[in-house]
Amino acid sequence: DTGVSQDPRHKITKRGQNVTFRCDPISEHNRLYWYRQTLGQGPEFLTYFQNEAQLEKSRLLSDRFSAERPKGSFSTLEIQRTEQGDSAMYLCASSSEYDRAENTEAFFGQGTRLTVV
Amino acid sequence: EDQVTQSPEALRLQEGESSSLNCSYTVSGLRGLFWYRQDPGKGPEFLFTLYSAGEEKEKERLKATITKKESFLHITAPKPEDSATYLCAVQGVRNTGTASKLTFGTGTRLQVTL
Repeated sequence: DTGVSQDPRHKITKRGQNVTFRCDPISEHNRLYWYRQTLGQGPEFLTYFQNEAQLEKSRLLSDRFSAERPKGSFSTLEIQRTEQGDSAMYLCASSSEYDRAENTEAFFGQGTRLTVV
Repeated sequence: EDQVTQSPEALRLQEGESSSLNCSYTVSGLRGLFWYRQDPGKGPEFLFTLYSAGEEKEKERLKATITKKESFLHITAPKPEDSATYLCAVQGVRNTGTASKLTFGTGTRLQVTL
């Protein structure tokens, strides 16, 4: 396993278009996170899944954003009717969240850089 | 709501000049505190996990420590290749007993010059 994989690495889109990003987590990991990061800021939480269940979604997250994780494997993040303010790096991470307390660290992919023009 | 504050925002060191980065946190039931390194245009790279006050972890020139309210990342005799943004994150426990999301600070941008 080569780690968390995100596709595409870069996306330029026109305002108002829909975009979809894909994340393939580390295979044995049951938890998957989506974060957004803008320049000079730390990663901002969007949502996370444990297996196929979406456990939490940020209250700041517009209803233009939707995420899925069918069958608890890969995940997609869709942004509808994109706005210039959506321009950011979208990061995916995965971790192993079982009952034991150790080894819960999340590993990140290289991100998808979205530019809305 | 879990919170993480990192200081300083930016730090410039000369090669060999040791220093510490600070991460102050509040969390409902600490499950873990994590340090990451992030290079420009890349995703965060995992460095350390700390689980309870008094714990210490080391890797090359980096050492992470933790108390009940703060964590420090100590950098000993840094080199230019240590230049990066260092992020701190905490994970608590939800009321269901499962781990919560990771909450990040804004990071410390470290520049090490010759």
